[in-house]
Amino acid sequence: TQLLEQSPQFLSIQEGENLTVYCNSSSVFSSLQWYRQEPGEGPVLLVTVVTGGEVKKLKRLTFQFGDARKDSSLHITAAQPGDTGLYLCAGWAFGTSGSRLTFGEGTQLTVNP
Amino acid sequence: DAGVIQSPRHEVTEMGQEVTLRCKPISGHDYLFWYRQTMMRGLELLIYFNNNVPIDDSGMPEDRFSAKMPNASFSTLKIQPSEPRDSAVYFCASSLWDRGSDEQFFGPGTRLTVL
Repeated sequence: TQLLEQSPQFLSIQEGENLTVYCNSSSVFSSLQWYRQEPGEGPVLLVTVVTGGEVKKLKRLTFQFGDARKDSSLHITAAQPGDTGLYLCAGWAFGTSGSRLTFGEGTQLTVNP
Repeated sequence: DAGVIQSPRHEVTEMGQEVTLRCKPISGHDYLFWYRQTMMRGLELLIYFNNNVPIDDSGMPEDRFSAKMPNASFSTLKIQPSEPRDSAVYFCASSLWDRGSDEQFFGPGTRLTVL
């Protein structure tokens, strides 16, 4: 079973601060995705990283996939209250019955105005 | 497209009762996934289907849980009998493929409370 550990689990910061969320595993994933979930809704995909060492930017969000494809990070610059939500990393791995998406436990981010 | 549709949005039932959750995936998506989300265990994959056929049900917790997909536009997750520990938010998601880079589109979830 592939496990993804996210840290920190909870993060409360002031508007304008920078933050980094980490997603770590002992397993190798073919790709890794980051989702954002707001209360009462399902997760929504932010980005997919596929290549080891890959870096993707989405406005103020920067995503990185580790060289060994076992870990990833999400960095937010100048956080805003609208960034508040649950951030989930999810790794795709291929098994005998096909591919499977495993989610981390999530990081609950609160950005205070 | 209306996205993934789930019903009901909220369900409160008593222990021992049968519960049926429903999902309509996005038209044209070949894969359908059922997840359960709790504070303690996060988001867990229960089962997924490809072209209406169950592919991996290793996440289904017990025989009390069963899932069906009679056609490409409808799936159910049934719990019989329900227990208080089944209380959680249940999500349905669909995708075009299950390749390692494809997006899963999630429904709004069904919040189940078993008293």
